[in-house]
Amino acid sequence: EVQLVQSGAEVNKPGDTLKISCQSSGYNFTNYWIGWVRQMPGKGLEWMGIIYPDDSETRYSPSFQGQVTISVDKSISTAYLRWNSLKPSDTAMYYCARPGNGAFDYWGQGTLVTVSS
Amino acid sequence: IQMTQSPSSLSASVGDRVTITCRASQGISRWLAWYQQKPGKAPKLLIYSISSLQTGVPSRFSGSGSGTDFTLTVSSLQPEDFATYYCQQANSFPWTFGQGTKVEIK
Repeated sequence: EVQLVQSGAEVNKPGDTLKISCQSSGYNFTNYWIGWVRQMPGKGLEWMGIIYPDDSETRYSPSFQGQVTISVDKSISTAYLRWNSLKPSDTAMYYCARPGNGAFDYWGQGTLVTVSS
Repeated sequence: IQMTQSPSSLSASVGDRVTITCRASQGISRWLAWYQQKPGKAPKLLIYSISSLQTGVPSRFSGSGSGTDFTLTVSSLQPEDFATYYCQQANSFPWTFGQGTKVEIK
């Protein structure tokens, strides 16, 4: 059974560094892209970026390029989303998801990130 | 590629036929998917490749279209279908979602 399990909710201050995770199981991790999707409170879905674990090829949305870093650790089948300096506007739910046929068929449960002083 | 959904919201009754439209700013071949999201839950894939039904999704959901114009249809709305629906293109990076269509109870 394919599962994507994300790290728990985070409460951080502006300027903090944060890395959230998404651990995959039930399939060959290196053979599928893993993407990240943001959902701000009461808003729609935003595609942030995607990584191919086998060679770490990464593509970002222009809206998120330079704002976050997506990475993987193949040894533990885990993808990461990292911020170097959080802003209050980063407050959102973040989902990881695995695409098949160009569509995200498996999703993590979401990680709520709250940034407040 | 920008994805524009219409309407942004709609009110419908159980048993109604509901249609949601998604327009791409350029051609996206067959790389079009539809998702359903309920409050507090992760999105759920309904349709991929314009019209292929994801395993386990009821047959009252269907997708159609080509080129830049696509449609999600619910043939007979059920109580559990009240949710927000999103289209998404995967023809080229960055993949993009539509802004969503909220289906509410009339």
